[in-house]
Amino acid sequence: SYELTQPLSVSVALGQTARITCGENNVGSKNVYWYQQKPGQAPVLVIYRDSNRPSGIPERFSGSNSGNTATLTISRAQAGDEADYYCQVWDSDSHVVFGGGTKLTVL
Amino acid sequence: EVQLVESGGGLVQPGGSLRLSCAASGFTFSSYWMNWVRQAPGKGLEWVANIKPDGSEKYYVDSVKGRFTISRDNAKNSLNLQMNSLRAEDTAVYYCARDSWDRIGEEYYYYGMDVWGQGTTVTVSS
Repeated sequence: SYELTQPLSVSVALGQTARITCGENNVGSKNVYWYQQKPGQAPVLVIYRDSNRPSGIPERFSGSNSGNTATLTISRAQAGDEADYYCQVWDSDSHVVFGGGTKLTVL
Repeated sequence: EVQLVESGGGLVQPGGSLRLSCAASGFTFSSYWMNWVRQAPGKGLEWVANIKPDGSEKYYVDSVKGRFTISRDNAKNSLNLQMNSLRAEDTAVYYCARDSWDRIGEEYYYYGMDVWGQGTTVTVSS
């Protein structure tokens, strides 16, 4: 079965750029989706189809996907960006697969 | 306002059953694929099941196949999850989530799970 590998944690200094990766063999051949989840809240879609932002998501959030790695980039990180981030793809047979999640800490 | 509201969670003994519901409002429920996604305490998101708009196709994660059944009532704007033979490892917050799709010509484009409920907690314990 398809598995998406994310780092358990990423730290970033306030105002700097955070990059969260999502790895799997040839993930670049699939569309990747990213969700932000703050403590006690439901997930929120922040990137769809690799690099597109839903309405209301700041331009500071961007995504890319190539080869074996998809990346969520958060520019000018703010304290409010502290959250867990999950990548997601559609696997075969209409199955959905989530990565294990990455905890982002803003220092 | 587009909204999903889950209900039906609670404490159940191992081997027991529970039925979750998700009430949809603010959009044409019958046009959307719908999902159940769960999150065990302190763990990540796990997709559980999804169902086609007309209910004709349903898919499950392997760990719940044969035990859980996803269904929908488009007349009542309701999504359901019947959970039988519950195990301790089914303990989680269960979210319903809407899939966003678009059809352009003959092609379908998936845009992710764009609306989520607040979740309902299921605890399986003796």
